[in-house]
Amino acid sequence: LAKTTQPISMDSYEGQEVNITCSHNNIATNDYITWYQQFPSQGPRFIIQGYKTKVTNEVASLFIPADRKSSTLSLPRVSLSDTAVYYCLLGGGGATNKLIFGTGTLLAVQP
Amino acid sequence: GAVVSQHPSWVICKSGTSVKIECRSLDFQATTMFWYRQFPKQSLMLMATSNEGSKATYEQGVEKDKFLINHASLTLSTLTVTSAHPEDSSFYICSAPSVAGVTYEQYFGPGTRLTVT
Repeated sequence: LAKTTQPISMDSYEGQEVNITCSHNNIATNDYITWYQQFPSQGPRFIIQGYKTKVTNEVASLFIPADRKSSTLSLPRVSLSDTAVYYCLLGGGGATNKLIFGTGTLLAVQP
Repeated sequence: GAVVSQHPSWVICKSGTSVKIECRSLDFQATTMFWYRQFPKQSLMLMATSNEGSKATYEQGVEKDKFLINHASLTLSTLTVTSAHPEDSSFYICSAPSVAGVTYEQYFGPGTRLTVT
């Protein structure tokens, strides 16, 4: 599975918009881009998934350029409770559904 | 959304003993489940793929005789850590895909904290 690269950590303040970018230069044609959130001592939680262009749900937006070599998770107006590790993962629609986690980005939101 | 549970949520065992961790999909069937291990301040590491009715597929470097996986039904997979040692102390997490073979949305269990003394 293709590798992803994210910043190790980011800092933000409450109420700000946070954009976390993930690089995936070797993304395969059938790979989807998925983001997960993990709080300490909990299992990861699905945030959003996309294949191309822009996807938006009730908690986040995902921007994917035409070449799909990167993606940006956008969190609008973060709060203290958004402090967590965010993982960008690639995967296709194949039978294995295997997920390989990278290092993730630790987002620290301050008051 | 779909719910995956794990039991126990935490366990302490003595070195040399075996520990079984259960992973259940509560409101959907899962022919495939995955087991991860996570050490403090590190990312999740995929250990194995659990397949209902067949042998598990282990990732490179994971000892299949030490981490026994059984997926006897469409809603239950178990991970048994045999002859546990302090270095096996970790956070073990399972997951199951929401719709097999379509997308990569997976539901994760809450994790099991294993401490080996």
